[in-house]
Amino acid sequence: EAGVAQSPRYKIIEKRQSVAFWCNPISGHATLYWYQQILGQGPKLLIQFQNNGVVDDSQLPKDRFSAERLKGVDSTLKIQPAKLEDSAVYLCASSLGLAGGYSYNEQFFGPGTRLTVL
Amino acid sequence: DQQVKQNSPSLSVQEGRISILNCDYTNSMFDYFLWYKKYPAEGPTFLISISSIKDKNEDGRFTVFLNKSAKHLSLHIVPSQPGDSAVYFCAASAGPGDYKLSFGAGTTVTVRA
Repeated sequence: EAGVAQSPRYKIIEKRQSVAFWCNPISGHATLYWYQQILGQGPKLLIQFQNNGVVDDSQLPKDRFSAERLKGVDSTLKIQPAKLEDSAVYLCASSLGLAGGYSYNEQFFGPGTRLTVL
Repeated sequence: DQQVKQNSPSLSVQEGRISILNCDYTNSMFDYFLWYKKYPAEGPTFLISISSIKDKNEDGRFTVFLNKSAKHLSLHIVPSQPGDSAVYFCAASAGPGDYKLSFGAGTTVTVRA
């Protein structure tokens, strides 16, 4: 079974530039998550999709971050404009979703995109 | 607001001995807990979980213990192997229905030969 795919793996940009990350979840997984992991911290949820609808975006800095999941499969996360403090690893994860039962909490993570903002 | 805390940033253990990782939480609504393992340049991978109706769950060399009254859980790895060297994250959710995970900051485990 193919895992969660993310691209690019690494990105270096200047502050105030824009950047976009792409995620392809595991086939059949209805729920998709974007996390931000700053060095020395645990992953922090930015946004959660159920199919192509947003379930939770309470931690997403909406003045500069946006995300979409067209057709309920692939997703893109965009930062515009980037700030120095956005330097982090951006992780995408997917799970079977809100189908009930504790087993569906298991989230499968992609390798992440390491963003450096100079 | 850090709702899940891993107070030991690192742990060094000799091969063959027990590794014990600790995790504390503050949100009394959490009722499902997971441990993830992360190697460098890879995403976290699920290791083991426990629901609040249990106080212990075992899977091979890995055992998770939950003490709800103390809001504390621990992961035991016995025996520790060199391949266990990684960062371990504790995570919690308030499921069912709420599958958002809150993560701790992680503990880096180094297994010495």
